[in-house]
Amino acid sequence: GESVGLHLPTLSVQEGDNSIINCAYSNSASDYFIWYKQESGKGPQFIIDIRSNMDKRQGQRVTVLLNKTVKHLSLQIAATQPGDSAVYFCAENKGRNTGFQKLVFGTGTRLLVSP
Amino acid sequence: NAGVTQTPKFRILKIGQSMTLQCTQDMNHNYMYWYRQDPGMGLKLIYYSVGAGITDKGEVPNGYNVSRSTTEDFPLRLELAAPSQTSVYFCASSSSVNTIYFGEGSWLTVV
Repeated sequence: GESVGLHLPTLSVQEGDNSIINCAYSNSASDYFIWYKQESGKGPQFIIDIRSNMDKRQGQRVTVLLNKTVKHLSLQIAATQPGDSAVYFCAENKGRNTGFQKLVFGTGTRLLVSP
Repeated sequence: NAGVTQTPKFRILKIGQSMTLQCTQDMNHNYMYWYRQDPGMGLKLIYYSVGAGITDKGEVPNGYNVSRSTTEDFPLRLELAAPSQTSVYFCASSSSVNTIYFGEGSWLTVV
C-alpha cells in the first residue's frame, strides 16, 4: 500500500539549533510533496513544497530535501526559534496535474524548542 | 482577508443528534475539502468538491454528507452522530495552481 510516514514522533532542540524533520514515502510515482506546520489549536499552515524534478528547495529559514532513491523527504529549519514549536506534517499530493489536491498526510512530528 | 472560515469552533453533540459544520472561503477557489484529524494523527479526507454542484467521497465519508451550492460555501452534515465522529474537523480550499489553505478547525465531541 501507499503511505507517508515520519521517523520521529517528537524532536526536542535548543533555540538557535538547526532542526531536521524526516519523512518517508512508499509510492515511487509520487511527484509532489508539501510540508505543513500545525500549531496547537490551529489548522495546518503551508510551509514549503517540492516537486520530484527537484532535489532541494529553499524558503525563509527552511529547506526541503528530496531523495527519490530512498524515497525520503526532510525539512530543515535553520536557527530554530520558540515560535517554531509545533507539529510538522509532510503530505503527498495524489491529485497530480489536475489542480485538485488529494493530500495524504503522515502522522506528524512534534518539534519542541527550548529557550 | 478572511481566507477559510469555519463555524462552530466547538460543539458537543449527543449520540444520534445531527448538525452541520459551516465552511466558507473568500478566495474564489474552485476546490474545497473537509478533513478530520483524530488525536495524534494526520488529517484524513472526508469529502471534497471540485466546483459548485460537484462533490465526491474521500477516504472516510461514512456518516457524513456535503453539498456545494455556491463556490464559497461547503457545509458538512453529520447525521446520527456517533462517538467515533469525535474529532477535529478542518475545511480547506485551493485553486488549480495553489496549495491548500486550511480553516482554524472545529472541535466536535459526541457523548
